[in-house]
Amino acid sequence: GESVGLHLPTLSVQEGDNSIINCAYSNSASDYFIWYKQESGKGPQFIIDIRSNMDKRQGQRVTVLLNKTVKHLSLQIAATQPGDSAVYFCAENMKGRGSTLGRLYFGRGTQLTVWP
Amino acid sequence: DTEVTQTPKHLVMGMTNKKSLKCEQHMGHRAMYWYKQKAKKPPELMFVYSYEKLSINESVPSRFSPECPNSSLLNLHLHALQPEDSALYLCASSQGGLALGYNEQFFGPGTRLTVL
Repeated sequence: GESVGLHLPTLSVQEGDNSIINCAYSNSASDYFIWYKQESGKGPQFIIDIRSNMDKRQGQRVTVLLNKTVKHLSLQIAATQPGDSAVYFCAENMKGRGSTLGRLYFGRGTQLTVWP
Repeated sequence: DTEVTQTPKHLVMGMTNKKSLKCEQHMGHRAMYWYKQKAKKPPELMFVYSYEKLSINESVPSRFSPECPNSSLLNLHLHALQPEDSALYLCASSQGGLALGYNEQFFGPGTRLTVL
């Protein structure tokens, strides 16, 4: 079943503002998390990842925060641009019971719309 | 070459047809995946190949049959599909195989499948 969810299905921001997209996960065994961006008609595009032994990771204009205590993940986009408009998915890598093999499960997604 | 390619981009088939989806990557990745994505939903894992062996089948109906002829190619054979199987089918690959645990997956653009 789906264990990764999102608090807001849609988010609208003004160009230049910062965006925060949230994600909740329920499986404490998940050890790796990824944020993907999916534009209309395209496959998901990797944005940034974080391992469970970290609580923050920064990329270019993006920051991912991981709070394992409350099983919460967030993606912060600085100075949001119209080209950032897309659906954003968080995904968790969940190891199977008794197995080293992992599965990547996606959350529901948040539609980010950036207004000029 | 840092991309995953998929053919065809679009496919329309009847319920009695047999067709195949193809995926190719030349990044030396040893794990390859098939996902199904319905409109406005997250991708759902179907199959995982690790080192050319089927490692995970997420209880997918037998009308979907995956094949991994070599480490660069992944096929999905379709037979006797139902209209509800209409979706975007995404292929992905990752570097080290699932046993390594950390699993940045690179996605192709997908094949838009319509079953009449």
